[in-house]
Amino acid sequence: EVQLVESGGGLVKPGGSLKLSCAVSGFTFSSYAMSWVRQTPEKRLEWVAIIIGGGTYTYYPDNVKGRFTISRDNAKKTLYLQMSSLRSEDTAMYHCARHGSLYYSMDYWGQGTSVTVSS
Amino acid sequence: DIVMTQSPSSLSVSAGEKVTMTCKSSQSLLNSGNQKNYLAWYQQKLGQPPKLLIYEASTRESGVPDRFTGSGSGTDFILTISSVQAEDLAVYYCQNDHSYPYTFGGGTKLEIK
Repeated sequence: EVQLVESGGGLVKPGGSLKLSCAVSGFTFSSYAMSWVRQTPEKRLEWVAIIIGGGTYTYYPDNVKGRFTISRDNAKKTLYLQMSSLRSEDTAMYHCARHGSLYYSMDYWGQGTSVTVSS
Repeated sequence: DIVMTQSPSSLSVSAGEKVTMTCKSSQSLLNSGNQKNYLAWYQQKLGQPPKLLIYEASTRESGVPDRFTGSGSGTDFILTISSVQAEDLAVYYCQNDHSYPYTFGGGTKLEIK
């Protein structure tokens, strides 16, 4: 059974940092592209990062580029999101998601970990 | 960035009725090389993460009931539920996975009368 379990969320002050983790099981982690997607309190979905293959290729939207870093440890079957210079607008539920092996869409999602940026 | 616009924002139907919802993209999601449209539909029920229903605009994900159908090409897409069931109560999102940054529509909330 495919499972993705996020952790590391919490309350952080503006300008602070946080590192999220996503532990996976039930599939060959190294063979799949992985993304982080967040859902704002208004329920808007925003894609924030993707890592492809062994980690050579990563992409970000402009609003997090330079502040967020996605990485993976294939041996530990864990995906990470290092977030720095956090802003109030980064407040959201953060989900990790797996991309399909034969298509780009995200076929499995974790339940998410909540991040609140507030003073 | 590709802007995804969904309509309506909400709709209320009785069980057994047919439902259609639309998604428009500000740029074509058609890959001219393979003629595939890179548009996905997700269903999100209360308290759960999104679930993939449809990928490449019209291909049903494994295990998704055949009452869900995706259609469209280019910039205009439709999700149809042929006979709504009570368990279809959810918010439905479309998503551009044609080009970065991947973007989502604002969602259509489906309510059951």
